[in-house]
This record gives sequence, structure tokens and C-alpha cells, in this order.
Amino acid sequence: DVKVTQSSRYLVKRTGEKVFLECVQDMDHENMFWYRQDPGLGLRLIYFSYDVKMKEKGDIPEGYSVSREKKERFSLILESASTNQTSMYLCASSAPTGGIYEQYFGPGTRLTVT
Amino acid sequence: QQPVQSPQAVILREGEDAVINCSSSKALYSVHWYRQKHGEAPVFLMILLKGGEQKGHDKISASFNEKKQQSSLYLTASQLSYSGTYFCGTVNDNNAGNMLTFGGGTRLMVKP
Repeated sequence: DVKVTQSSRYLVKRTGEKVFLECVQDMDHENMFWYRQDPGLGLRLIYFSYDVKMKEKGDIPEGYSVSREKKERFSLILESASTNQTSMYLCASSAPTGGIYEQYFGPGTRLTVT
Repeated sequence: QQPVQSPQAVILREGEDAVINCSSSKALYSVHWYRQKHGEAPVFLMILLKGGEQKGHDKISASFNEKKQQSSLYLTASQLSYSGTYFCGTVNDNNAGNMLTFGGGTRLMVKP
């Protein structure tokens, strides 16, 4: 079974703090993704990475950065957390199986910025 | 631009049928369907590719109308275990590969 783990299920941070969210996958997948999930808005892509040290902006990259130094690990960084970044953050990974890129999701980190 | 899902929420009795629609303004290469149960991660259900056939798994099936850029998910004789939020994710025709754009989700509740 593919396993995607995230460093914390719940996190509370103060405005202005630097926040690191970590994601690890154990299936040697090339592609990794960070989404944020808000009610009524579904999942919105923040960044994705298709290889070590390679990254692409998603739909809502403002206020975030990412790091991928090893294939299995993809980190999301909030340089200076703000209250509008309070959300559920989901990490996912994928690799082609028969041309199909099924995404496997982690359990999510619920971040509250006060 | 996100695909639009409808309805936003639906409540069913066990055994009833439901249809969830996903509509995009862009030409699509594929449509993915995921289900997320409360407090859990989204789980892949199925993918429909451009030029492909209608897919099905048990009593859940889906169709993809390429000309209309629409997909529909059909849940037949719903079970309590079908409850959750369903998301469609689309891959645009000019971006075939990895990037999915998800809809806002449809909350499905199945009552006994």
C-alpha cells in the first residue's frame, strides 16, 4: 500500500511565524503535490514537484514556498503565517501506472493561525 | 479555473440513486473522481480518459462527454458507506499529465 504521511494532524501557529509542513511518501513516486482545502472551494493546488529540486506553481502559490531535497520528502513553507492561511493542507503523490496518474493523499494537517 | 460540481449537497435514503455532475469551461483530457470521508484523506475512485469508455466499479459508474467537457458520477442503490464528499479533478487537454484542478466538491449523505 502506498503511504503518504504528514508531520502533524493539527498545528496552531501565531501570525508572522515561519511554518514548515512536511510530507513523506514511501512509494518512490516522482510527483508530489501540496493542496489546501477550504469548505466550498474543494482542493486548490499550491505547488507541485515532478522531481528532486524541481517545482511548479499551482493555482494559489502566493505566501507559500516549497522544498524537495529528497525524492520521498516534500515540504511546504509559510514564510510568515497569516490568519487567511488557516486551512486544511493535504499532500499527495503520484506516478504513472499504465499512463494513469492516480494521486495518493496524506491524512492532512489542519493549520490554525491566530 | 475550477470545474463546477453540482449539486453541492445531496441527501439520500439507502437504496436510492444519485448523479453528481462536473462541468469545465476548458477542453479536457481526463476526469478523475475522488471520495473523501469525514476526517479522512481523499481516495481515488476512477479516471475517465478522452476517447475512453464509461467506467464502473460495483454500483458506482461514471461517464465523460468530451464535447460538452462534462462528466457525471452515478451512484446506484446507494449504501451508507457511500456517504462523504465527492470531488472531480480535471486535466486540461493542453496539460495532459499530472496537474489536476479539483471542483468544489459534492457532499453526499446516505441515511438508513
